[in-house]
Amino acid sequence: NAGVTQTPKFRVLKTGQSMTLLCAQDMNHEYMYWYRQDPGMGLRLIHYSVGEGTTAKGEVPDGYNVSRLKKQNFLLGLESAAPSQTSVYFCASSYPGSYEQYFGPGTRLTVT
Amino acid sequence: AQSVTQPDIHITVSEGASLELRCNYSYGATPYLFWYVQSPGQGLQLLLKYFSGDTLVQGIKGFEAEFKRSQSSFNLRKPSVHWSDAAEYFCAVSSPLLQKLVFGTGTRLLVSP
Repeated sequence: NAGVTQTPKFRVLKTGQSMTLLCAQDMNHEYMYWYRQDPGMGLRLIHYSVGEGTTAKGEVPDGYNVSRLKKQNFLLGLESAAPSQTSVYFCASSYPGSYEQYFGPGTRLTVT
Repeated sequence: AQSVTQPDIHITVSEGASLELRCNYSYGATPYLFWYVQSPGQGLQLLLKYFSGDTLVQGIKGFEAEFKRSQSSFNLRKPSVHWSDAAEYFCAVSSPLLQKLVFGTGTRLLVSP
């Protein structure tokens, strides 16, 4: 099993450009999450999904959109990137009621 | 609102010495508590978790943590640190009501020879 994978691993964008981060999991987990990690701030939840076709806002959702068209995939989109979105993005997944989340290796995004 | 405080940003420990990383939480209901470790350039890995029962929980890699309700704490301990333990450690809280993890800001552990 690959667990949770993220594509791409690194990306540099110019301000105003758009991109999509892909998260895939092969553990048949219902729940999936997107976090951003910034120095001194820990991990903050951007959006999450409790099942295929459902999404919900987390702590810092502004400037991001998500989609969960397939159970195994969770996409994070930036429609118009800003320097404030420079961060490391982590995807995670879990079973309902498990509270134990499995994390991907992260995507380092730089917006110039 | 729920929150997690890790008061130490950095800690340096000599290899072979004991370790204690502090975690305090603020949450009105019974919390579920977690410790995760993040090695450089990697994602987060679960070290241990506490849901209920025995307040001293054992985890992977020789780590343990003790839940103290009276102090709202869940400190992580290891009796003898190895150089490979150098990483960033995150404490987190959740519950059936929260339905999500709330993380502390992390403690970076440095291990000196």
